[in-house]
Amino acid sequence: DQQVKQNSPSLSVQEGRISILNCDYTNSMFDYFLWYKKYPAEGPTFLISISSIKDKNEDGRFTVFLNKSAKHLSLHIVPSQPGDSAVYFCAATSGSARQLTFGSGTQLTVLP
Amino acid sequence: GAVVSQHPSRVICKSGTSVKIECRSLDFQATTMFWYRQFPKQSLMLMATSNEGSKATYEQGVEKDKFLINHASLTLSTLTVTSAHPEDSSFYICSARGPRQGPQPQHFGDGTRLSIL
Repeated sequence: DQQVKQNSPSLSVQEGRISILNCDYTNSMFDYFLWYKKYPAEGPTFLISISSIKDKNEDGRFTVFLNKSAKHLSLHIVPSQPGDSAVYFCAATSGSARQLTFGSGTQLTVLP
Repeated sequence: GAVVSQHPSRVICKSGTSVKIECRSLDFQATTMFWYRQFPKQSLMLMATSNEGSKATYEQGVEKDKFLINHASLTLSTLTVTSAHPEDSSFYICSARGPRQGPQPQHFGDGTRLSIL
């Protein structure tokens, strides 16, 4: 049972345009959501997070939106840059243990 | 920012060998560390949660006698793959979470590519 789903395995965007990566979850107990960026043969790099008490969090070019009623979150990158090309994982957690449940990832390719 | 160092980055060894992977938090104390495994083109799967000074908590289906975890200090956790076999070949990644209360991100090491011949 996949509790965190990223239904798009890949996304291609032109440089300078907006990249929108989507993530859905099923566990209503999740209260903290994160986005990570990952290059091949490297560990994930933390990008941005959002608590369930908020619906938006912004950090530079990255904005995460959370729609709790729809159990959906998205990551917006604007403007997209070729260096943003990587696999993006959304993750969710709940409770004091803070174990992360990851989605399957979306390969973002930003075309110059 | 928080830095997690993982060593070695790559291991190639014969079947039956035991392999130890180290995970260190370099600039913060990590009361909790996590060990993940990633198969090609798949997501990260949590193997176990490592708590400083106590036994690790393993996820369902992970053999604790196969994957030994030790978290003897606030900056070091080790994963030992005992008597490794080709099916244990994978990308192993650790992460660390600091002692601060409340939601905070986990910070990941760069992973260890384990190849068992």
